[in-house]
Amino acid sequence: DTGVSQDPRHKITKRGQNVTFRCDPISEHNRLYWYRQTLGQGPEFLTYFQNEAQLEKSRLLSDRFSAERPKGSFSTLEIQRTEQGDSAMYLCASSKPGGGEKLFFGSGTQLSVL
Amino acid sequence: AQSVAQPEDQVNVAEGNPLTVKCTYSVSGNPYLFWYVQYPNRGLQFLLKYITGDNLVKGSYGFEAEFNKSQTSFHLKKPSALVSDSALYFCAAGFQKLVFGTGTRLLVSP
Repeated sequence: DTGVSQDPRHKITKRGQNVTFRCDPISEHNRLYWYRQTLGQGPEFLTYFQNEAQLEKSRLLSDRFSAERPKGSFSTLEIQRTEQGDSAMYLCASSKPGGGEKLFFGSGTQLSVL
Repeated sequence: AQSVAQPEDQVNVAEGNPLTVKCTYSVSGNPYLFWYVQYPNRGLQFLLKYITGDNLVKGSYGFEAEFNKSQTSFHLKKPSALVSDSALYFCAAGFQKLVFGTGTRLLVSP
């Protein structure tokens, strides 16, 4: 069990640029989640996958955000035309299927939009 | 709107004393309830959860939590705090997606 890994750990970009983050979940976990956390707040749900199917998206996720999990393994989160308000920690988590399963979180990708 | 409230930004306790970190939730249905802990420069780690059954659930590192349905609360407790328990604690509620509270910083002094 190597845990959930996220890449990169930090990303600094200029407003208007596109960025992409990657998440590798624990191998036997078929559920994968993306959350966003800003300073002084708890994580906010963005979207989740079961295998390759994206089952739910938050209304927080504007059209500039897109997430994929093409083969049901790793996932990518892309933000197009970044804005300063997108600056946050982007967290990925994975879990086994079923209700009430605990989430295993990665260390996150810290995005700073200048 | 569904929400989780952690009314205390920070809880201070002396080592060896009992601690309580409060959480109330407003999530429809009978949600699953969780506590996670976040240490500096590390990801959120699961502590414990309530699904159904006994209102007192035990978790990692000697922590426990008490579920109260009438008060929609899920307070985190530990009988004897350690300095190493100092961290940021998050309460969460939900089903497939979780709603998190804003976190409570626990500071345990020697």
